[in-house]
Amino acid sequence: AQSVTQLDSHVSVSEGTPVLLRCNYSSSYSPSLFWYVQHPNKGLQLLLKYTSAATLVKGINGFEAEFKKSETSFHLTKPSAHMSDAAEYFCVVSDLFNFNKFYFGSGTKLNVKP
Amino acid sequence: DVKVTQSSRYLVKRTGEKVFLECVQDMDHENMFWYRQDPGLGLRLIYFSYDVKMKEKGDIPEGYSVSREKKERFSLILESASTNQTSMYLCASSSQGASNTEAFFGQGTRLTVV
Repeated sequence: AQSVTQLDSHVSVSEGTPVLLRCNYSSSYSPSLFWYVQHPNKGLQLLLKYTSAATLVKGINGFEAEFKKSETSFHLTKPSAHMSDAAEYFCVVSDLFNFNKFYFGSGTKLNVKP
Repeated sequence: DVKVTQSSRYLVKRTGEKVFLECVQDMDHENMFWYRQDPGLGLRLIYFSYDVKMKEKGDIPEGYSVSREKKERFSLILESASTNQTSMYLCASSSQGASNTEAFFGQGTRLTVV
């Protein structure tokens, strides 16, 4: 079975400091992994996805994620937080052998302090 | 621009009413999904459909049903609305087959049952 665990429900950083949002996955085979962002009262937007072409994945708005098979992790990072990054972030795994069903983590709310 | 459109952003319904939430996608996707989103619980899959007239239960199907008569339209039905169904409902669609194909989301419907 596929699943993801987001290790922090809330993360608070100061503007201009690095962001780290942690995600661990469980998968019987090579996973398909995604990060989505949801700003208040908005739908979900794709930040980035793991394509297996490279372990370091670059996304929109300066975000990156590194796939580490040995640690079963797919942590999201950004070198310098901006106020506009304040949102909720979801780590997602899809099950290729089950109609590409998507399984969501419980979400991490990122707060950015001025 | 690809789109998943949910018919209502906000709905207020009375306990016991039959409620229809409609979702339309314009990407010719095979898969369509209904999730509910509650604070601290992330997104939980209610039902999904992998083809016209085909459906599968998700993790929390109780109290809900779905209908997919046309490829582009997926409806969620609350047969007799209850207050514990007050939530944000999100529709999504995706294509099948290829790995790393992402889901596209609608803006969500915030349903309040009074």
